Amino acid sequence: GDSVTQKQGQVTLSEDDFLFINCTYSTTTYPTLFWYVQYPGQGPQLLLKVTTANNKGISRGFEATYDKGTTSFHLQKASVQESDSAVYFCALVDPNTGNYKYVFGAGTRLKVIA
Amino acid sequence: EAGVTQSPRYAVLQEGQAVSFWCDPISGHDTLYWYQQPRDQGPQLLVYFRDEAVIDNSQLPSDRFSAVRPKGTNSTLKIQSAKQGDTATYLCASSLLGINQDTQYFGPGTRLLVL
Repeated sequence: GDSVTQKQGQVTLSEDDFLFINCTYSTTTYPTLFWYVQYPGQGPQLLLKVTTANNKGISRGFEATYDKGTTSFHLQKASVQESDSAVYFCALVDPNTGNYKYVFGAGTRLKVIA
Repeated sequence: EAGVTQSPRYAVLQEGQAVSFWCDPISGHDTLYWYQQPRDQGPQLLVYFRDEAVIDNSQLPSDRFSAVRPKGTNSTLKIQSAKQGDTATYLCASSLLGINQDTQYFGPGTRLLVL
């Protein structure tokens, strides 16, 4: 079945550091890919979405590139702030099935120290 | 517009007790999802509806869990006899059939602790 792997359980950075969160996926087709962010006590909220048509998503200083060759969708930000501290989930959906069921990774907890 | 709302926000039970979770999706959204999110894990789909119909409940533990959406708006998820392994956050999400139907909007969740 489809799967999403986030190898980093936790990332700790200082303000203004560069952020890189790893995400790889496994499917039989070309999925739509998402990054969701979850702040404490809240549900996940969409950060960015990328389809095969547009390859790269940018939102609030975050960016992620759809790489079909390496089946990766890593999240990057040039300079993190303390307010970026949250859990980041990579997810996919197979648009060809018509059911729009998300498959989530385990999440990466980002802690930014001021 | 108002987001997805859920209640209660927290629940603490003894094993064997029953509990119900309620979800009010974004107005007009025809698709509603229930997820279970164990601590330090990603959300895992339990069941989802389009209008009042169950589309997929293959991951719902049918012997103790049930979910309904009788009028195609609000939904209730019920655990009949809770177990410690049910301790998790239960998330509701909704989406709208159309161009962005693959984008789900999540509620704040109900945190369940089973002692």
